Amino acid sequence: EVQLVESGGALVQPGGSLRLSCAASGFAFSSYSMNWVRQAPGKGLEWLSYITSVSSSTQYADSVKGRFTISRDNAKNSLYLQMNSLRAEDTAVYYCARDIIYSFDIWGQGTMVTVSS
Amino acid sequence: QSALTQPASVSGSPGQSITISCTGTSSDVGGYNYVSWYQQHPGKAPKLMIYDVSKWPSGVSNRFSGSKSGNTASLTISGLQAEDEADYYCCSYAGSITWVFGGGTKLTVL
Repeated sequence: EVQLVESGGALVQPGGSLRLSCAASGFAFSSYSMNWVRQAPGKGLEWLSYITSVSSSTQYADSVKGRFTISRDNAKNSLYLQMNSLRAEDTAVYYCARDIIYSFDIWGQGTMVTVSS
Repeated sequence: QSALTQPASVSGSPGQSITISCTGTSSDVGGYNYVSWYQQHPGKAPKLMIYDVSKWPSGVSNRFSGSKSGNTASLTISGLQAEDEADYYCCSYAGSITWVFGGGTKLTVL
């Protein structure tokens, strides 16, 4: 079964850091670009970040550029999102999503990040 | 990047057809044939319903169809069923390896 499973969400204080993980299974992870998308409570979806299959290129939304870093380990079939300088407005469910060239066909179940003192 | 504009809510009766619009700019919707639509039930992950404006992923019903004219894309659901009640989001490629989503539309099946 093709599957993505996120983990690492937690309650963190403003200014803190957190690393999210996304474990892939059931498909050739190393052949696909990947993305992170988030959804604040009661709000819509927001694309955050992209990474190519071999990590040759990354991209970020302006809202997280300079604070978040996307990476992957194809040997471990895993995608990561390092989040630094967290703010209250970063509170959201974070999804990883497989890229099929300009759209996202497989999504994980999401992991909740809460930024609060 | 500003979010694409969708109506906050639409509704329809079982068996009817509804259309959800998604308005962007020439830098996103109007500039690329890379509009996708996602269905999200409460507490669940989004599900891809339409990609590249009008293509169906495997397993998605052909009751769902997509189109685009200028800076506005549309999702039409025909033969409404109770299980279609969900939130729907459009998404467009916006150049330079970035994407922008719409604000979402809540579909109510009366």
